[in-house]
Order: sequence, then C-alpha cells, then structure tokens
Amino acid sequence: DAGVTQSPTHLIKTRGQQVTLRCSPKSGHDTVSWYQQALGQGPQFIFQYYEEEERQRGNFPDRFSGHQFPNYSSELNVNALLLGDSALYLCASSSGWDRTYSGNTIYFGEGSWLTVV
Amino acid sequence: AQTVTQSQPEMSVQEAETVTLSCTYDTSESDYYLFWYKQPPSRQMILVIRQEAYKQQNATENRFSVNFQKAAKSFSLKISDSQLGDAAMYFCAYRGRTDSNYQLIWGAGTKLIIKP
Repeated sequence: DAGVTQSPTHLIKTRGQQVTLRCSPKSGHDTVSWYQQALGQGPQFIFQYYEEEERQRGNFPDRFSGHQFPNYSSELNVNALLLGDSALYLCASSSGWDRTYSGNTIYFGEGSWLTVV
Repeated sequence: AQTVTQSQPEMSVQEAETVTLSCTYDTSESDYYLFWYKQPPSRQMILVIRQEAYKQQNATENRFSVNFQKAAKSFSLKISDSQLGDAAMYFCAYRGRTDSNYQLIWGAGTKLIIKP
C-alpha cells in the first residue's frame, strides 16, 4: 500500500517564477492538505482540499493556489516566487475533512524541497 | 487563536535512558486532539502518539507515553529505553474540533539527540 507520494523531491527556482508541486494521497484517503515548513520551524498550514474544493485556508497570500483532481491527487501552485518561499512543502492526506474526522490519523509525504534563488 | 509552544530546542539522552519532551498549548476549546510527530532526516512526519482531550487516561504506545494535564494545558512526551533510531525532530501538534478549524497547529519542534 503506497503512502503519500510527492514530486518533485527537490527543485530550484528563480525569484518571480512559478512552481507546481504534486501529491498523491494514501490509498483510500480523500482529503489532502498542504503545509509549508521553513528551515528550523514547525509546519504552517496552507490549505485543505476535499471533493475538489478548497475547504480551509491558512494565512497565505493568493499567490498560493491549489487544485484537487477526481482521483484525489492534488497540486500546489505558487506564483511570483519570493526568496521567503524557500521551504519544505509537505502534503498530508486523511479521510474526511470536517470535525467528525478530526481525530483521524493524518499521513505525510516526504515533502518537496523548494529553493528560490 | 490556538498556539503550541515547545520550549526545548534540543534535548539529549543516553541510549537506554528515559527522556521527556515538553509541550504547552493555548486554546479556548474544550474538545480537541493533541499529537506528537517524529520527523527523521528523511523529513517524513510520522505519528508517534495521539491524545483525545476528553479522555483523562494518558495515551501509551510501546515505549512512548504522554503526560496530559488538561487544566495546565500541558502535553509532554516520555520516551523510555531510548534507542538510536529515536533520534529526530519531535513536533507537538494540536487539532481542534470546531466547525472552522481542523488543521494541525504545530510547535517549533525539539531536536532529540541519542548518545550511544
């Protein structure tokens, strides 16, 4: 049973460029969340997708956008990259998205390292 | 807004000894979940243990146990018989159960070093 898979694992972009990160959730999971983890810090919630809709959003600008596909996989897009966007981007999957499921185990991928130069 | 604080940036312990990692949190909610996650050099977050706030009994998973003090808003992790494989970053996380707040809120992490 494959867990959460993310691609690419590492990438380097230039300021002002755009980047797309991809995530496939664990088999049987329908909810995908994205987190940004800067070096030496805990993750910060970006947004959560369920049934192809953004259900919750953290305190991130509109440059951060996402998408969820019918097969539950997801993309994170970041436009107009800034140096401060350099971080590890973690994808997490779980079953269900509302308070009923808040105790469900959340599984994480190994992340995508983004370096902006 | 909820916050999670880990006041120990780094802890070290001798192999086979016991170590306790501290976590405090702030919330106005009465029903929530608390988690400890481990992040090894591979960077994948791995769930160590989970505690439901409405359960008074402290959670235990093999060598890992928690001391949950709801009134004090404290949630510490005890690792017994420490092993070299326990070396990692440990993050405390909170997840609420209100209608608009299910995301994980994280502490800054504690780096655990195991001395052979």
